[in-house]
Amino acid sequence: NAGVTQTPKFRVLKTGQSMTLLCAQDMNHEYMYWYRQDPGMGLRLIHYSVGEGTTAKGEVPDGYNVSRLKKQNFLLGLESAAPSQTSVYFCASFRQGRSYEQYFGPGTRLTVT
Amino acid sequence: DQQVKQNSPSLSVQEGRISILNCDYTNSMFDYFLWYKKYPAEGPTFLISISSIKDKNEDGRFTVFLNKSAKHLSLHIVPSQPGDSAVYFCAASRGRTGANNLFFGTGTRLTVIP
Repeated sequence: NAGVTQTPKFRVLKTGQSMTLLCAQDMNHEYMYWYRQDPGMGLRLIHYSVGEGTTAKGEVPDGYNVSRLKKQNFLLGLESAAPSQTSVYFCASFRQGRSYEQYFGPGTRLTVT
Repeated sequence: DQQVKQNSPSLSVQEGRISILNCDYTNSMFDYFLWYKKYPAEGPTFLISISSIKDKNEDGRFTVFLNKSAKHLSLHIVPSQPGDSAVYFCAASRGRTGANNLFFGTGTRLTVIP
């Protein structure tokens, strides 16, 4: 199993450009999440999905959109990138069970100039 | 407002000694707590968790202690090994469904000196 994978690993955008980050998981997990990690801030939840076709806002959703058209994929879109969106983005997935263990991808480092 | 706080950005410990990482939280509704470990250029990986109905949970060299009255938890690593060098994140949630958001602390970088 590859677990949780993220594409791309690195990206540099100019202000105003758009892009989509792809997250894929092969564990048949119902729940998927997008976080951002900034220096001194820990991980903060952007959006999440409780199943195929559903999305919900997290702690810091402004400036991002998401889609979950297939159970295994969760897309994070930036329609008009801003320097404040420079961050490391992590995707995670989770399956309801005895423990609340989210499985994380390796991250995408995004720089907006 | 940071609901989960890790006030020590870094910690250095000699190999074989005990490492103690601390975490404080402000939301009394949190009832499940987790520790994650993160190596550079990798995503966080789950380490150990504890429910609010317990005050201690052990898994090999790792033990998490929870003091609900003080809203404080700690992770003990005994004995510490060089491979334990990483950033450790504390996280908390209200409930354990997938829709209960995790709130993370800012992390503590542990360096274990051989």
